[in-house]
Amino acid sequence: AQSVAQPEDQVNVAEGNPLTVKCTYSVSGNPYLFWYVQYPNRGLQFLLKYITGDNLVKGSYGFEAEFNKSQTSFHLKKPSALVSDSALYFCAVRDIILTGGGNKLTFGTGTQLKVEL
Amino acid sequence: KAGVTQTPRYLIKTRGQQVTLSCSPISGHRSVSWYQQTPGQGLQFLFEYFSETQRNKGNFPGRFSGRQFSNSRSEMNVSTLELGDSALYLCASSSRDRGLPEQYFGPGTRLTVT
Repeated sequence: AQSVAQPEDQVNVAEGNPLTVKCTYSVSGNPYLFWYVQYPNRGLQFLLKYITGDNLVKGSYGFEAEFNKSQTSFHLKKPSALVSDSALYFCAVRDIILTGGGNKLTFGTGTQLKVEL
Repeated sequence: KAGVTQTPRYLIKTRGQQVTLSCSPISGHRSVSWYQQTPGQGLQFLFEYFSETQRNKGNFPGRFSGRQFSNSRSEMNVSTLELGDSALYLCASSSRDRGLPEQYFGPGTRLTVT
C-alpha cells in the first residue's frame, strides 16, 4: 500500500525565515505527490504537485517542494515565511489504481505550521 | 469559476438517524470524491464518483453510501449514525477522468452526532 509520512506534528518558524515541512513517501512505481494546506474551518487548498520532470516544483503563494527520489522525500519549502502561512499542511500521494482510472489520495497526518513575529 | 460548494456546512444529528450531505463540483468537473476528516484517523477516502458511477471505494462500512447525478452533483448518505461518525466531510472535484489532475476541495460539512 502506498503511504506518506509527515514526521513533525508541528513546525515553528519566525516570520521572514525560511520554512521546511517534511514529507516522505512509500510507493510502488512512480510517485505522484501533492501538497495541500488547510486553514481553520476550511477545506483543503491545493498548493502544488509532482508528477514528473524537474525535482523542484513551484506552487501557489510562494511555496515550492523538492522531490528527492533517493531519499523518497517531498519536502515543502518557502524562502521567507509569513504569519499568514500559519495553517495545517498535508502531503498526499495519489493511489495507483490499476483499472478504471480514478482520483484517490492518501494523506499524511498533517503538520501544523506556526509562524511567529 | 465558482469553487466546490457543500451543503449544509454544519449538522447536528442523533445516534441512529441518517443524514444526507450534498456537494456541487466546479463547473465542468466530472469526478467527485468524498473524504472524512477526524482528529484520530486524519483524512480518509470514502469514495469517488465519475459520470454517475462509483469508481473507487474506501474502507468504510456499508452505512456510508453515495451517488452522483447527471449534472455531476453528488450526495453522500450515512445511515444509522454512530458517535464515531462525527467528522468533517470533505468533497473534492477533478477536471479529468484520467491523467493526474489535482483535486479541489469544498469547505466541508461538519457533522456532529450526539
